[in-house]
Amino acid sequence: AQSVAQPEDQVNVAEGNPLTVKCTYSVSGNPYLFWYVQYPNRGLQFLLKYITGDNLVKGSYGFEAEFNKSQTSFHLKKPSALVSDSALYFCAVRDDYKLSFGAGTTVTVRA
Amino acid sequence: DAMVIQNPRYQVTQFGKPVTLSCSQTLNHNVMYWYQQKSSQAPKLLFHYYDKDFNNEADTPDNFQSRRPNTSFCFLDIRSPGLGDAAMYLCATSRERFSDRYEQYFGPGTRLTVT
Repeated sequence: AQSVAQPEDQVNVAEGNPLTVKCTYSVSGNPYLFWYVQYPNRGLQFLLKYITGDNLVKGSYGFEAEFNKSQTSFHLKKPSALVSDSALYFCAVRDDYKLSFGAGTTVTVRA
Repeated sequence: DAMVIQNPRYQVTQFGKPVTLSCSQTLNHNVMYWYQQKSSQAPKLLFHYYDKDFNNEADTPDNFQSRRPNTSFCFLDIRSPGLGDAAMYLCATSRERFSDRYEQYFGPGTRLTVT
């Protein structure tokens, strides 16, 4: 089965600083990787995906993710974090017909 | 532009009293999914429809049922809610299950409280 892991439960950064949310994957074959964000009492919003092609994927709200095959990682990044980026972030991998999610990382951006 | 709509956003039901949650989509996607999410945990897939074809996850309790009367609508029925069924229920859609155009689009969720 395909799986992802998010090693950090929480990430705290100051506004204006770079933000990184880590994700590693374990797959057989080529991975289809995704990042979603969830604000309190809301559904998940799609941020970006990696299917094939460029290792640097650009997504919504200024986020990007870097696919690294040798390190089996797909870290989410934002050069300058905003207070409004505070939310719960999920990494996911396509596993047959469904998504296998990581446990989630809570991001807090302090003013 | 609401794409995946869930009603109601908040639902309170009594222990053992059947409840139905509703999901509709304007994307004309073939696949509709229902997830259960507890306490900021990862969403857990309950089942999905590919067109009219219902696909249940092996560990989904029999207490949970679903209906998809047409492409746009899908319902989650909980026949006898228990306290452990209190959760956020998320509906999602995708165009296909196996193609590159696979990303799932989620509704805002329905938070179910069981008293």
